Amino acid sequence: NAGVTQTPKFQVLKTGQSMTLQCAQDMNHNSMYWYRQDPGMGLRLIYYSASEGTTDKGEVPNGYNVSRLNKREFSLRLESAAPSQTSVYFCASSPGLMNTGELFFGEGSRLTVL
Amino acid sequence: AQRVTQPEKLLSVFKGAPVELKCNYSYSGSPELFWYVQYSRQRLQLLLRHISRESIKGFTADLNKGETSFHLKKPFAQEEDSAMYYCALTNTGGFKTIFGAGTRLFVKA
Repeated sequence: NAGVTQTPKFQVLKTGQSMTLQCAQDMNHNSMYWYRQDPGMGLRLIYYSASEGTTDKGEVPNGYNVSRLNKREFSLRLESAAPSQTSVYFCASSPGLMNTGELFFGEGSRLTVL
Repeated sequence: AQRVTQPEKLLSVFKGAPVELKCNYSYSGSPELFWYVQYSRQRLQLLLRHISRESIKGFTADLNKGETSFHLKKPFAQEEDSAMYYCALTNTGGFKTIFGAGTRLFVKA
């Protein structure tokens, strides 16, 4: 019962470095999401994928790219990391094509950009 | 535009006291509203959704469209209720779930 799995759990980067956060779900869900969590600001949607083959911008997409590799996997890439991207990142998935139900979350990935 | 506002960053109550976590939203259509909870060292998880009109762990929440609110209530708080609570809104027929800033509830013995 893995649910939503994110890797890595922790990462420290220097300004300008790139990295990819990986997310995989084993619940056969159609929709997947990336959020960032910052103190006092809650969770903010970065990108989402309503279904395999589609991706769309959320509230705070600048500085990020995503790939919906297949139905199971949805990755988030930082091409040139900045200190403002220091955050905890959460991947989530939901069952239907229409996001009218429960989101299932991963454990989070803590990223620090120096 | 969608917006969810949780005015309290921190709420501290004594065990056995009533608790109310406030949530106000802004949305022009018919929203779907949720409360999520994050206990220490656990994943963020759904607590309840307005469409189900359910009570989970003694918590209830009523959607008030006139006041655009979805406050979370429990008549008698327990220490195990201490957690971070997030109110969330999904636009009907859409794909975006927007979260509030969260309220940390601390229940004192």
